Amino acid sequence: DAKTTQPPSMDCAEGRAANLPCNHSTISGNEYVYWYRQIHSQGPQYIIHGLKNNETNEMASLIITEDRKSSTLILPHATLRDTAVYYCIVRVFNSGGSNYKLTFGKGTLLTVNP
Amino acid sequence: DTAVSQTPKYLVTQMGNDKSIKCEQNLGHDTMYWYKQDSKKFLKIMFSYNNKELIINETVPNRFSPKSPDKAHLNLHINSLELGDSAVYFCASSPRGNQPQHFGDGTRLSIL
Repeated sequence: DAKTTQPPSMDCAEGRAANLPCNHSTISGNEYVYWYRQIHSQGPQYIIHGLKNNETNEMASLIITEDRKSSTLILPHATLRDTAVYYCIVRVFNSGGSNYKLTFGKGTLLTVNP
Repeated sequence: DTAVSQTPKYLVTQMGNDKSIKCEQNLGHDTMYWYKQDSKKFLKIMFSYNNKELIINETVPNRFSPKSPDKAHLNLHINSLELGDSAVYFCASSPRGNQPQHFGDGTRLSIL
């Protein structure tokens, strides 16, 4: 899996948009970008994933640059409950066996402040 | 309804003991996983089963033995517990291996 780079921490004001960047300059053509988060004392939670087009769901939006070397996760209106460690993971989608695993990095600790 | 449930939530035991952690998912998923999160908060895959067949075994000591009696359950048995086994163990499942994974809330194992 391609390596990802994320800032160790970020702050965001409650109600504002939180934009979390991720660099994945060695991403391959068949690798997807996944985002998970881990709220304190809980298991990781899937947020969103994409290949090259921008994606949106009820939790967040994912913006992937045209060259696919970086992406941004956007939480449009951050709340205190969004305080968590956010992980950007790059993984091959259409393959089996050992590629099923998620390789977690250190992630970004997002702190949403009142 | 809890989608991926692990028991126990907390496990405190002495070095050298043997213990098991159970995991059940009610999502109808085919693939299940065990991850370990150490004191530095790094999350690492340990095992994965697909339809009761072992597909990932990531250089985990032989003291750790996963067992999948059916595709809804993946248990983890640990023999001769060591201090370094203290960690949070997360179970997860996915419809297929390449689909998003759903995690349980973890089992916090402390070795005295």
